[in-house]
Amino acid sequence: EAGVVQSPRYKIIEKKQPVAFWCNPISGHNTLYWYLQNLGQGPELLIRYENEEAVDDSQLPKDRFSAERLKGVDSTLKIQPAELGDSAVYLCASSPQGTGELFFGEGSRLTVL
Amino acid sequence: GQNIDQPTEMTATEGAIVQINCTYQTSGFNGLFWYQQHAGEAPTFLSYNVLDGLEEKGRFSSFLSRSKGYSYLLLKELQMKDSASYLCAVEGGGGNKLTFGTGTQLKVEL
Repeated sequence: EAGVVQSPRYKIIEKKQPVAFWCNPISGHNTLYWYLQNLGQGPELLIRYENEEAVDDSQLPKDRFSAERLKGVDSTLKIQPAELGDSAVYLCASSPQGTGELFFGEGSRLTVL
Repeated sequence: GQNIDQPTEMTATEGAIVQINCTYQTSGFNGLFWYQQHAGEAPTFLSYNVLDGLEEKGRFSSFLSRSKGYSYLLLKELQMKDSASYLCAVEGGGGNKLTFGTGTQLKVEL
C-alpha cells in the first residue's frame, strides 16, 4: 500500500515569491491534515479536511496561506507571498475516518531567502 | 485549548531503560498518542492510550492516567537506533484534532 506522497521534497525561494505543496493521501483516508513543523518543535496543525470540507482551519494564516482539496482526495497548500518566517517543514498526513492515528508524508522542506 | 509539556532532551545508555514523561491540560480528551520521529523524517505512530493503564508493545510501553493528565513512554533495552524525537500528542478539542507537544529528543549513547 502506498503511503502519503508529498511534493516537492525541498523548495528554496526568495521572499515574496509564491510556493505550492501537493499531497496525495493514502487511498480511502477521508481525513487529511496539513501541519507545519519548525526545527526542534512538534508539528502544528494548519488545516484539517474531512473529505473536501475544511473542518478546522483556525490556525491557518489566511492572509497568505490557502489550501484546497477539491475532490476530497489530493490537496494543495499555497503560500503567497512567502516570508522569511515561513521556512519550515510542511507535513501532510491522512487518517481513516473516525481515528486519530495519523500517517505522515515525508514532508516538504521550505527555505525562504 | 491544549497545553502539552514534555522534557526537551534526554540521554540514556544503550541497553538501559528510559521513561519519557508527558503532562497535558486539555479542553477535551479522547486519547493520547506517542509518535517517533527520526531526524529529517516524518513522525511514525508508536502507541495510543484511551483508558488508564499500561499498554505494552514489544520494547515500548505507554502509560496513561486521565485523572492526573499524565502519560509516559517507556523504552526498554535501548538501541542506538532509538535515538530520535518522541512526540506526545493529545486527541480532543473536537473531532479527531491531534495536538502535538514539542517533542523529547532522546540520545542513546554507548
